Formats: sequence, structure tokens, C-alpha cells
Amino acid sequence: AQSVTQPDIHITVSEGASLELRCNYSYGATPYLFWYVQSPGQGLQLLLKYFSGDTLVQGIKGFEAEFKRSQSSFNLRKPSVHWSDAAEYFCAVGRSGGYQKVTFGTGTKLQVIP
Amino acid sequence: ETGVTQTPRHLVMGMTNKKSLKCEQHLGHNAMYWYKQSAKKPLELMFVYNFKEQTENNSVPSRFSPECPNSSHLFLHLHTLQPEDSALYLCASSPERGSQETQYFGPGTRLLVL
Repeated sequence: AQSVTQPDIHITVSEGASLELRCNYSYGATPYLFWYVQSPGQGLQLLLKYFSGDTLVQGIKGFEAEFKRSQSSFNLRKPSVHWSDAAEYFCAVGRSGGYQKVTFGTGTKLQVIP
Repeated sequence: ETGVTQTPRHLVMGMTNKKSLKCEQHLGHNAMYWYKQSAKKPLELMFVYNFKEQTENNSVPSRFSPECPNSSHLFLHLHTLQPEDSALYLCASSPERGSQETQYFGPGTRLLVL
């Protein structure tokens, strides 16, 4: 079965600084990879996803992620963080080929300070 | 606003009570999901419905009973719950059932079992 690890439980960045959230997955073939964001009191919202092709994926709200097969990683980045980006971020992985459930990581909570 | 609504948003119940959670999606999707979100744990997939038929039950205790009368509505009936069942219960939908599908989440029901 696939698995996903988000090593950072909590990250604090200053507004305007760059951001990178780490995600590592375990799956033998090419996975489907997702980043979701959950703002306080809200459900999860898709930021971006990777299935195949260009390994650098652009998402909403200025986020991007890069799929690195050699490192089994799919890190999320943003060049300049805004206070409204404070939320919890979840990486998820799905198996290709037929239906398989999507597995979510434990999340990384982002705090943005002025 | 994701097009997925959940009621109630908050629920406090005793261990002997019976209550129901409701989820409605206005997106014309065919697949619906129940997840349990507990602090510091990955999202736990509980049930999956596809075209009103239950296609997955991830070893969920029988005190949780799902119902999907049509593709737009999903219920979770709760009976004799335990304090460890306290969590945020998220409903999601997707166009089809598939690991490549984007899931659209509701805001969740925050459940407290006393």
C-alpha cells in the first residue's frame, strides 16, 4: 500500500518569505500526487495535483510543487507567503491504475508572522 | 464555498444517543466519501459510495452506519459512540470514484462524545 510522510508538523514563516513544505511518498510506480489546504473551520481544498508529464506543477494561490521521482518527493513551494496562507497543508498520494483510495499525510500547519 | 455542505457543524452527544450527520453536494458528482479527521493523525477514509452503492468500508465499527439515498446526499448515522470517536467528520465528493479524482470537501461536523 502507498504511504505519505510530511515530516514537519508545524512551520512558521515571516510574511513575504519563501515557503517549502516537504512531502515524501512510498509507492513503486508513478503515483498520483495532491496538495490540499485546510483553512480554520473549512474543509480541504485542492491546491494542485500531479499525474504525469511536466514535473513542475502550478496550482492556485501562487503555489507550485515539483515531483522528484529519485527522491520520492513532492514538495510544495511558494516564493512569497501572505498572511492568508496560514492554514494546514496536506499531501496525498493515490495509486495509478484502477480505483485505489487516496492516502493523506498528517498535515503541516503553517503559521505566518508579520 | 466548495459546493459541499454539512450539517450540523457542531454536535455534542452522549454515549447512548443516536444522531445523524448530513452531507449534500451540489456539484453533480457520482462519488461521495466520509472521512474522520483526528488531531495529529492522517485523514481516515471511512466509507465510499459510487452511484449510491457502497464500494468501500474501511473496517469502521458498526456504531457508524452510512446511508446514501441518492448521489447528492450522504448521511452518517451515529449510535452508542465512544469518547474516542470525537473528531471532525468530513464529507467529500468527486465526479467519479478514482484515485486520480479531485475530491471536494465540506466544512465538516465537529463531534464531541461525552
